[in-house]
Amino acid sequence: EAGVTQFPSHSVIEKGQTVTLRCDPISGHDNLYWYRRVMGKEIKFLLHFVKESKQDESGMPNNRFLAERTGGTYSTLKVQPAELEDSGVYFCASSPDSYYEQYFGPGTRLTVT
Amino acid sequence: RKEVEQDPGPFNVPEGATVAFNCTYSNSASQSFFWYRQDCRKEPKLLMSVYSSGNEDGRFTAQLNRASQYISLLIRDSKLSDSATYLCVLYSGAGSYQLTFGKGTKLSVIP
Repeated sequence: EAGVTQFPSHSVIEKGQTVTLRCDPISGHDNLYWYRRVMGKEIKFLLHFVKESKQDESGMPNNRFLAERTGGTYSTLKVQPAELEDSGVYFCASSPDSYYEQYFGPGTRLTVT
Repeated sequence: RKEVEQDPGPFNVPEGATVAFNCTYSNSASQSFFWYRQDCRKEPKLLMSVYSSGNEDGRFTAQLNRASQYISLLIRDSKLSDSATYLCVLYSGAGSYQLTFGKGTKLSVIP
């Protein structure tokens, strides 16, 4: 069974540009989560989808970040415009039920210059 | 105060040694606790859940002390392949399914 996949694996953009990250969860997993780790800090929660609905977006840092999950399958996380402090590793995770183990993808390493 | 605190290490131990990691958490309402393992530049992977009664999985033993808000992980007979960063993780509870992570403790097992 394929795991969680994320695209791209790396992205280098300039401050002010837009970047869109994609996550494909494990097939059949209704729950999808976004997390990120910035340099020197712990991994932090961004938001949680159940199917196509945002269950919890309390971790989204500001309105430059927009997450979508149209159709309840893959999800995208757009950062517009990107700032230097957005650099870090963005992880996506999925689970079949909310209290079940979360399976993480390999992450997207974002560098904003 | 950080929600989850861990000694960042690094812990450098010889093969075959026993090593213990500790973690404290600040939210007494936290419901579920886990140890995740993260290899360099890889994603976190669940190592084991942590229960109040303590639980063991092969060479790994995890303990939870709710009164002291303290979690531990013991690794016996360390292998080279145990080298990784160990993350203390919890569910905050109160209807939220987000995981809260510590910064991790780095372990290097030396031949």
